[in-house]
Amino acid sequence: GAVVSQHPSWVICKSGTSVKIECRSLDFQATTMFWYRQFPKQSLMLMATSNEGSKATYEQGVEKDKFLINHASLTLSTLTVTSAHPEDSSFYICSARVGSGIHNEQFFGPGTRLTVL
Amino acid sequence: GENVEQHPSTLSVQEGDSAVIKCTYSDSASNYFPWYKQELGKGPQLIIDIRSNVGEKKDQRIAVTLNKTAKHFSLHITETQPEDSAVYFCAAAYNNNDMRFGAGTRLTVKP
Repeated sequence: GAVVSQHPSWVICKSGTSVKIECRSLDFQATTMFWYRQFPKQSLMLMATSNEGSKATYEQGVEKDKFLINHASLTLSTLTVTSAHPEDSSFYICSARVGSGIHNEQFFGPGTRLTVL
Repeated sequence: GENVEQHPSTLSVQEGDSAVIKCTYSDSASNYFPWYKQELGKGPQLIIDIRSNVGEKKDQRIAVTLNKTAKHFSLHITETQPEDSAVYFCAAAYNNNDMRFGAGTRLTVKP
């Protein structure tokens, strides 16, 4: 299957700082990437849908000014958590969609564990 | 929007036995139903998926069934092995857009 990477795999930061997470599709081009957040022992919650070259679409309740998403190329999307606070500590997972219409699949990255002190 | 419910939340089976996880969805327009396996500290991995134009799909020890009328689908794992232990998520989407996940099932296979 297609490979999606994330960097970093984990990060610890101080409250008030910003953290950038990268999501790359390694062997395919992804017009659409998704960002999810997963709290311990919970399911994946979709945060936003990112289309290359356009603004991300955020889910209800997700602050777009706090979680900045940039999808500048067909292989890279970034999520920046601005002014991070301890409650932002979570496992952030991206996925990339390959294909179109009914013939498409989503492949997930390995996740980034963010801990805000 | 789509709402996916998954049961059970935890499942413990003896090695060699079968495991069944069930999900229901609410949006009759959904036509794509993937299952993901997530190991501790890792991202979800697609293990099998089914589209609404088929009722059953099998891949070695794993099978998925779909009942569109009742809006439910199930994952069946036969001859379970300890390495099958993980959290399994079902999901539902229309053309892989706006995918919604179930709450997850923690499967433990006891040797």
